Amino acid sequence: ETGVTQSPTHLIKTRGQQVTLRCSSQSGHNTVSWYQQALGQGPQFIFQYYREEENGRGNFPPRFSGLQFPNYSSELNVNALELDDSALYLCASSQGTVRETQYFGPGTRLLVL
Amino acid sequence: QKEVEQDPGPLSVPEGAIVSLNCTYSNSAFQYFMWYRQYSRKGPELLMYTYSSGNKEDGRFTAQVDKSSKYISLFIRDSQPSDSATYLCAMMNTGFQKLVFGTGTRLLVSP
Repeated sequence: ETGVTQSPTHLIKTRGQQVTLRCSSQSGHNTVSWYQQALGQGPQFIFQYYREEENGRGNFPPRFSGLQFPNYSSELNVNALELDDSALYLCASSQGTVRETQYFGPGTRLLVL
Repeated sequence: QKEVEQDPGPLSVPEGAIVSLNCTYSNSAFQYFMWYRQYSRKGPELLMYTYSSGNKEDGRFTAQVDKSSKYISLFIRDSQPSDSATYLCAMMNTGFQKLVFGTGTRLLVSP
């Protein structure tokens, strides 16, 4: 059984650019949630995808968007990058959307200059 | 006020000590309570998962939930240098799987 994987591991962008982060869910999981973790803070919920549909969103602006594919992998897209977007972006997968355990990937570290 | 409060530490203890980590919360709708461990530059790893009030034990780890006080704890017995990490508490309502995290407590266990 493979765990949650994310790519790339880290990247550097400049303000105003766009970025796409990718996540492969754990085998058998149909739900992917994305979190943003700023330095020294706990993860903050961005949104969740279940069976290719957005299933809830946190307090993030529309320039944060996502996709989920038929194989349940997912992308997080961020447009018009701002300096405050610099953070560790975590993907978590689970089987279901209610109380099932979420398993996290290693994260993508984004630095915006 | 944050929904979940957690002392960021760092908490420094000698090897073999009993460690107590705590979180308080304000949202009475939280029903599921978790503790994650996060090593530097890694993703969070689930340690304990409890539902409602009570205790749960797993090896050297014990999780306690007191919903009447809106207070949760994680105890680590016989702490080891390999336990040095950031410990995140997380909580969830029924009906939707959004985790609300504390800021994390950094634990340092010295040999």
